[in-house]
Amino acid sequence: NAGVMQNPRHLVRRRGQEARLRCSPMKGHSHVYWYRQLPEEGLKFMVYLQKENIIDESGMPKERFSAEFPKEGPSILRIQQVVRGDSAAYFCASSGTSTNEKLFFGSGTQLSVL
Amino acid sequence: QKEVEQNSGPLSVPEGAIASLNCTYSDRVSQSFFWYRQYSGKSPELIMSIYSNGDKEDGRFTAQLNKASQYVSLLIRDSQPSDSATYLCAVKRETSGSRLTFGEGTQLTVNP
Repeated sequence: NAGVMQNPRHLVRRRGQEARLRCSPMKGHSHVYWYRQLPEEGLKFMVYLQKENIIDESGMPKERFSAEFPKEGPSILRIQQVVRGDSAAYFCASSGTSTNEKLFFGSGTQLSVL
Repeated sequence: QKEVEQNSGPLSVPEGAIASLNCTYSDRVSQSFFWYRQYSGKSPELIMSIYSNGDKEDGRFTAQLNKASQYVSLLIRDSQPSDSATYLCAVKRETSGSRLTFGEGTQLTVNP
């Protein structure tokens, strides 16, 4: 899973600022998944993307959150006007072209909102 | 009812014992099942996958699946202190790409 790269590793924002989290999938992978993990809780699905397409965003909050996976470059999870409740670990995972393939996770971005 | 439920723990076992982790799921169309291990502050790491009823063994780990009972478990034989971590059960539907639904996790401590 070392092939899935996330940055930054830690991100500190003040309330009202924007947070941008980046994820480069494992080489050869074209499917990206974002998960959020609150302290002492399991992973909650947020969004599933393929290149230039959002496939499933049923886990995304309706406001302030957006995600993209452009043709070139990493996938971006953007959180506008952050609030303290957004503080969490955000994990990106990737899989290959087959829908039955396993997920491999990046190291995560720990977002702290002051 | 949660889609995926795990025994809440924490679970504590002595070194060398068998650790048993349990998971139930509510959606009968779930097709694939996974166990991830997550050390504190680290990312989840896939340790086992199982797709059909029965047992699957990999080293000290055995995954068991019973689709009729909607139950999947993980046994860790000869538990080591290095096995101390949170274990996450995850399920996947055929129609959801590789999207996984996770349980809350069970924290395991193996005491030397």
